[in-house]
Amino acid sequence: DIQMTQSPSSLSAFVGDRVTITCRASQSITSYLNWFQQKPGKAPRLLIYAASSLQSGVPSRFSGSGSGTDFTLTISSLEPEDFGIYYCQQTYSTPRTFGQGTKVEMK
Amino acid sequence: QVQLQESGPGLVKPSGTLSLTCAVSGASISSTNWWIWVRQPPGRGLEWIGEIYRGGGTIYNPSLKNRLTLSVDESKNQFSLKLTSLTAADTAMYFCARGAYGDYGLIFDYWGQGTLVTVSS
Repeated sequence: DIQMTQSPSSLSAFVGDRVTITCRASQSITSYLNWFQQKPGKAPRLLIYAASSLQSGVPSRFSGSGSGTDFTLTISSLEPEDFGIYYCQQTYSTPRTFGQGTKVEMK
Repeated sequence: QVQLQESGPGLVKPSGTLSLTCAVSGASISSTNWWIWVRQPPGRGLEWIGEIYRGGGTIYNPSLKNRLTLSVDESKNQFSLKLTSLTAADTAMYFCARGAYGDYGLIFDYWGQGTLVTVSS
C-alpha cells in the first residue's frame, strides 16, 4: 500500500495568513494526488485534483503543487470559512489511501 | 446537479451484516463513472472501502475483501454495500461518492452526506 504522510498534523493561523500543508507519498504517484477539505459532520469536499487543478467552484486562494512524492496545498490568504481538516489522497493505485489529515484552526 | 444519498440502519449487532444503499440523482449509474464507498470512524481519518463500475466490475480494499460485496441496481439508479461479520471496529460514518476519471486518476467529485453506523449489542 502507498502511505500518505501529511505535515503538520495541526496548525493555527490568523485570517489573512498564508498557509501551507505538505503531503508525502511513500513512492512516486506522479500527479495522482487530490486534496479535500472536511468540516465537522460533513462529507469531504474536493478542492484540488491531479495535484494542481482547481475543482470547479473552489476559491482561487487554494492551490496545489508537486509531483512524484512531494506535494503542497497552499491557502494564499486564510478566510474564516477555511477552518477544518484537510486530507490528501492518492489514486495512483489501489487501495486508494488518504493522509492522516491536517487540522486548520483560527487564531 | 449530481446528488448522492446514503440509507441504511444506524445500529447493527456484532457479527451481523451491514447493508447500505446509495441513491444517485442527476447522473446515470450506467454512465462511465465509478461508484465509491469511503468510511470514517469517529474522530479518525478516511478509509477507502471499494468501488464499482457499471456492469459490476469491482475493486475492494484488501483489508475488507473477505467481508465485502458491492453491487449496482441500474433499474433504481443506486448502488449498495454489504459488509459481514461486523465488529466494533466497523463503527463509522459511511460515505458514498462518485468517481470520475481524468488525466490523472479517479476524482471523487460528488459525495453523499454520510450515514453513521454503530456496531453494538
